[in-house]
Amino acid sequence: QSVLTQPPSVSAAPGQKVTISCSGSSSNIENNYVSWYQQLPGTAPKLIIYENDKRPSEIPDRFSGSKSGTSATLGITGLQTGDEADYYCGSWDSRLSPGRIFGTGTKVTVL
Amino acid sequence: EVQLVESGGGLIQPGGSLRLACEASGFTVSNNYMSWVRQAPGKGLEWVSVIYSGDSVSYVDSVKGRFTISRDSSKNTLYLQMNSLKVEDTAVYFCARSKETSTIFYYFDYWGQGTLVTVSS
Repeated sequence: QSVLTQPPSVSAAPGQKVTISCSGSSSNIENNYVSWYQQLPGTAPKLIIYENDKRPSEIPDRFSGSKSGTSATLGITGLQTGDEADYYCGSWDSRLSPGRIFGTGTKVTVL
Repeated sequence: EVQLVESGGGLIQPGGSLRLACEASGFTVSNNYMSWVRQAPGKGLEWVSVIYSGDSVSYVDSVKGRFTISRDSSKNTLYLQMNSLKVEDTAVYFCARSKETSTIFYYFDYWGQGTLVTVSS
């Protein structure tokens, strides 16, 4: 049972925008960094956003991250069929031992 | 180029043992925080264990006393010894490198392709 809650699924047509929320609390998101991972079908997770809003160099700027209070958001603009995947947020929870935690995961479907 | 390649998964009966390996290239395992993360079929990600400076280790409660994480600097390889396996340990096991300090966890930056462990009679 993850302490980071994400919507099970979101969908949009190609070229549109989707946002994925990651809801936590003061013991995790509010006071710690948030990262986001993309998991294409049958593959390993891949880091796409780190330290709340930074992108690794190879990740296109269609992907963005933000954080406000106890929630974080991943945005994907110009949706492509290749973006169809599961997305997970990650953070640290200071009340848990150990504290490395992931969100419940969101399936992005391109209509 | 950083690469992580896992091996050692397979079908094992409940109560059995298995050792997973994760061979790293492009960086030194002993100089980094290294974790195992698992994913049960159709489920989300669950962090399992970490090893870091001075061979300090940590585990999720559900595997404490059964799993042991270790590393071999000469082989630049991370291991996970899994004993007393249970059906609920069935999952794909990923090794991952993380950026963190003793007080701050940042993120997992590199992941292996995963190895499937199936515990079943």
